[in-house]
Amino acid sequence: EADIYQTPRYLVIGTGKKITLECSQTMGHDKMYWYQQDPGMELHLIHYSYGVNSTEKGDLSSESTVSRIRTEHFPLTLESARPSHTSQYLCASSEGSGADTQYFGPGTRLTVL
Amino acid sequence: AQSVTQLGSHVSVSEGALVLLRCNYSSSVPPYLFWYVQYPNQGLQLLLKYTSAATLVKGINGFEAEFKKSETSFHLTKPSAHMSDAAEYFCAVSGGTGANNLFFGTGTRLTVIP
Repeated sequence: EADIYQTPRYLVIGTGKKITLECSQTMGHDKMYWYQQDPGMELHLIHYSYGVNSTEKGDLSSESTVSRIRTEHFPLTLESARPSHTSQYLCASSEGSGADTQYFGPGTRLTVL
Repeated sequence: AQSVTQLGSHVSVSEGALVLLRCNYSSSVPPYLFWYVQYPNQGLQLLLKYTSAATLVKGINGFEAEFKKSETSFHLTKPSAHMSDAAEYFCAVSGGTGANNLFFGTGTRLTVIP
């Protein structure tokens, strides 16, 4: 059983609001990831981290930002939400990379009105 | 570069029938391949993965997949479908040791008919 948590599970907000999506894991994994998932589409990597104070952008451009101040915590922030940000956001972690399994959180479904 | 193609966005089978979900990959390096399952309103859960050991990989819930390099395929099968198998299934490829990214297919929604 993977121990990776995301809050909130669902969020409906108005345009222009600042939001932070929380992700935390208790497995001590160094690598963490944020994916964006739209219905009928692939999951796309938007951010990843090798460890504390390390963050990189993924292959899908995103206006969001992330931070990694603690190993277990990898929050994602949108400074000014827009309707185009409406999507499901999935957080994952892994011990290493390549063949290592990525464990996923339950996701946050974001709707921006 | 790595990519995955899942043939069939929707597959319906009768309860007790064979489940076959197709995945073809493209990779410039020896790939690691994964199948994940996603139940409604949940995250992705690993079913099985291929990491260059045995070409026939057994996973959870009675699923298995066979890596066929000559066909660049990694199809997922289960001999007998159960109602609880209804979910979305994603195939993914990783670009080898040190790679940070999983490249996902668009998913296949499996419906099981009683």
